[in-house]
Amino acid sequence: AQTVTQSQPEMSVQEAETVTLSCTYDTSESDYYLFWYKQPPSRQMILVIRQEAYKQQNATENRFSVNFQKAAKSFSLKISDSQLGDAAMYFCAYRSPKIIQGAQKLVFGQGTRLTINP
Amino acid sequence: DTEVTQTPKHLVMGMTNKKSLKCEQHMGHRAMYWYKQKAKKPPELMFVYSYEKLSINESVPSRFSPECPNSSLLNLHLHALQPEDSALYLCASSPPISGRGAYNSPLHFGNGTRLTVT
Repeated sequence: AQTVTQSQPEMSVQEAETVTLSCTYDTSESDYYLFWYKQPPSRQMILVIRQEAYKQQNATENRFSVNFQKAAKSFSLKISDSQLGDAAMYFCAYRSPKIIQGAQKLVFGQGTRLTINP
Repeated sequence: DTEVTQTPKHLVMGMTNKKSLKCEQHMGHRAMYWYKQKAKKPPELMFVYSYEKLSINESVPSRFSPECPNSSLLNLHLHALQPEDSALYLCASSPPISGRGAYNSPLHFGNGTRLTVT
């Protein structure tokens, strides 16, 4: 079974600085999908960025980028120019390529609570 | 704005009550999910409906009863709950997975219902 580990329960960063959240995973599959979700106090889980394992290029979405190291099974999230609105719980998630009756099963890490200091 | 709408936002119920949570989406997604999330923990999958049929039940107690009346609506009927069932209940939806193009389609989450069982 796949597992996802986020080793940093809490992180803090000064506004406008850069922070990196770590995520490692364990799998025997070669083709899979990785996601970072953000959950602010509003409670909604919001997709931040996604990465397909077969793509070597790291995904980027505006101030958010990932460092995907497939051999090391590492998928860290870098947030540049941190803003107060980035404060949230961040979850790393793994998705197998195996289809379960047309639906997808995500394996979540335990989450990292990110605080932005003004 | 969320494309997955959950009602109510908050619910307080006694252990002998019967209540229902509602989830609605109009994105044409054919897979819908119920998750349970305890404080400071990742979401835990409860049920998945694919094409209006229950495809995954993660050994959830029978006091939780899901229903999918049509492709846009998902309900979770609650009866004889316990205080430990107090949690945030999240609904999500996704396009059906049928080919590599849809593999990286993420889950779309609602804002959740905060349930308190007294």
